Amino acid sequence: QVQLQESGPGLVKPSQTLSLTCTVSGGSISSGGYYWSWIRQHPGKGLEWIGYIYYSGSTYYNPSLKSRVTISVDTSKNQFSLKLSSVTAADTAVYYCARAKAGQLGAFDIWGQGTMVTVSS
Amino acid sequence: DIQMTQSPSTLSASVGDRVTITCRASQSISSWLAWYQQKPGKAPKLLIYKASSLESGVPSRFSGSGSGTEFTLTISSLQPDDFATYYCQQYNSYSPFTFGPGTKVDIK
Repeated sequence: QVQLQESGPGLVKPSQTLSLTCTVSGGSISSGGYYWSWIRQHPGKGLEWIGYIYYSGSTYYNPSLKSRVTISVDTSKNQFSLKLSSVTAADTAVYYCARAKAGQLGAFDIWGQGTMVTVSS
Repeated sequence: DIQMTQSPSTLSASVGDRVTITCRASQSISSWLAWYQQKPGKAPKLLIYKASSLESGVPSRFSGSGSGTEFTLTISSLQPDDFATYYCQQYNSYSPFTFGPGTKVDIK
C-alpha cells in the first residue's frame, strides 16, 4: 500500500523559499510508471496543480508558477521535493503531494494528507 | 490554460436521491477528465478517471460520462457518506492541469 507524507516548515517568511518534501512508502519512485505531483489548496478555496516530476528527473510546471518552482527527486531516499521561491501571503495554502499513473498522468490516485504552510513575518 | 466550470456550485439533496453534477471545459479535452471527492480537512479522493472509468474501490453508485467539453458525475443513490465537495479536473497533455471550482453536496 503506497503512502505519501509531506514534511517541511509550517511557517515561512515573505520573500523566502518554501521547501517541502514528500516521502513515498510502500513503493519505489525509481520503479517508474508514475508521475509525482505537488498540488495546493488555498484556505477555503479550490485546488491548484503546481507541477510534476518523473523518476528520471523530467519535470513539467504550471506556467503560472514556473518562474518560482523547482521540483526535484531523490530516488535514494524515495522522496521528491518542492521549492517555491519569493513567497508572499498568496502562497499560504495546504500543500499536497500526489501520484498519478503514467498514461493517466493527471489522475491523482494517491495523495498525502497535506501540510499547511503559512507565509507571514 | 483550459478553464473548468462546474454547476451547480451547491446542491442540497436527501439520502437516496439521484445527483448529477456538470463540468465544462473551455476547450476540448477529449476524455482526459477526473472527478474527486473531498471532505473537510482531508485530501481529495479520486473517484473517476478518463471521464468514465471507476477508480478501484469506489462504489458503483458513482459514474461519469461525457467527452470533449461537457462531462457529468452521477451518484445514483446518495448515501450519508457522500456529503462532500466534488471537483472535476482536466489533464489534457501539454496543458497545465486545472480543477473546477467545486460542487458542495449538502443535506437538504
